[in-house]
Amino acid sequence: AQSVTQLDSHVSVSEGTPVLLRCNYSSSYSPSLFWYVQHPNKGLQLLLKYTSAATLVKGINGFEAEFKKSETSFHLTKPSAHMSDAAEYFCVVSDGEDSSYKLIFGSGTRLLVRP
Amino acid sequence: GAGVSQSPRYKVAKRGQDVALRCDPISGHVSLFWYQQALGQGPEFLTYFQNEAQLDKSGLPSDRFFAERPEGSVSTLKIQRTQQEDSAVYLCASSPLLQAYEQYFGPGTRLTVT
Repeated sequence: AQSVTQLDSHVSVSEGTPVLLRCNYSSSYSPSLFWYVQHPNKGLQLLLKYTSAATLVKGINGFEAEFKKSETSFHLTKPSAHMSDAAEYFCVVSDGEDSSYKLIFGSGTRLLVRP
Repeated sequence: GAGVSQSPRYKVAKRGQDVALRCDPISGHVSLFWYQQALGQGPEFLTYFQNEAQLDKSGLPSDRFFAERPEGSVSTLKIQRTQQEDSAVYLCASSPLLQAYEQYFGPGTRLTVT
């Protein structure tokens, strides 16, 4: 079965400093991986996706993630945090080739950005 | 254009009451999904519709949960005889593609069972 583990429940950074949100996955096949962001009172928004093409994936708002098969990781990074980045971030894997629509979410990382 | 909308945004129910949660997907989207998000957790898959057909209901936690999409657009998630453990945010998502992992989410309905 596919699963993801988000290693930090909370991350706090100062505005203008780099962001690193960690995610490890477990999959019996070549996975499709995603990062979603959830702002308060708003729907989940897709930040970026990896689907077996380039291992370094660029997303919206300056975020990017690198798929590392040897480390089974898919960490999310951003060079410089902005106040508007404060939100909950979810690492997600799709369930499998026959049920790729079934998204499996991690437990989330809450990002706090200090002024 | 309009995104996925859900109503009501907040619902308080007494234990044992039935509730109905509505989802209006993006117009023309063939796929529709329901997820349940407990407090402090990530969303968990409940069910999947392709047009009006419910192709996967493996995530529904009990037979008290029922979902329908009779005309292939609006969907309703019904919970009968609500229990306290049903308290969660219920998210709806839609996609223009079949069996798609790219999904557009609504803001959710927060259900509190007292």
